[in-house]
Amino acid sequence: NAGVTQTPKFQVLKTGQSMTLQCAQDMNHNSMYWYRQDPGMGLRLIYYSASEGTTDKGEVPNGYNVSRLNKREFSLRLESAAPSQTSVYFCASSDQKNTEAFFGQGTRLTVV
Amino acid sequence: KNQVEQSPQSLIILEGKNCTLQCNYTVSPFSNLRWYKQDTGRGPVSLTIMTFSENTKSNGRYTATLDADTKQSSLHITASQLSDSASYICVFSTGGFKTIFGAGTRLFVKA
Repeated sequence: NAGVTQTPKFQVLKTGQSMTLQCAQDMNHNSMYWYRQDPGMGLRLIYYSASEGTTDKGEVPNGYNVSRLNKREFSLRLESAAPSQTSVYFCASSDQKNTEAFFGQGTRLTVV
Repeated sequence: KNQVEQSPQSLIILEGKNCTLQCNYTVSPFSNLRWYKQDTGRGPVSLTIMTFSENTKSNGRYTATLDADTKQSSLHITASQLSDSASYICVFSTGGFKTIFGAGTRLFVKA
């Protein structure tokens, strides 16, 4: 089993460009999450999807949109990238709330 | 305000030695506390989980403790190995889908 797979692993964008980060899980989990990790800070929740068909804002949702395409896939879109969005992005999934979250390998995004 | 502070920020130890990482918190209430290990360039992986009513949980050479009176959690690593070099993160689940992550302690184990 692959677990949680994120693509791409690395990306460089120019300010104002858009892109979509892809995430897929093969564990039949109900819940999926997008986090960002910045130096010296803990992971912060951007958006989550409690179950297929639902999405909710997390702690730092501004500048991002998400789509829960189906039970397996949860994408994160940056419509107009800004240098402040330079970060490492992690997708995670869990069976339900408060259960163990399984993380992907991360996407290192640089906005110049 | 719910806060989590981990110390030290980084730590260097010799292979075979023990070490203890600290997590001080003001999070209240919380349903459970996890310690994660994050290897460089990888996502975090869960090591231990404790509910708010538990005070110790072990996973092999890793032992987590929780003291609700002092609002401290510790992760003790016994007989360290080179593969223990990683960041260790304490994480609180506050209910629903919200979690609060510490910034982590970066551990370097040297031969």
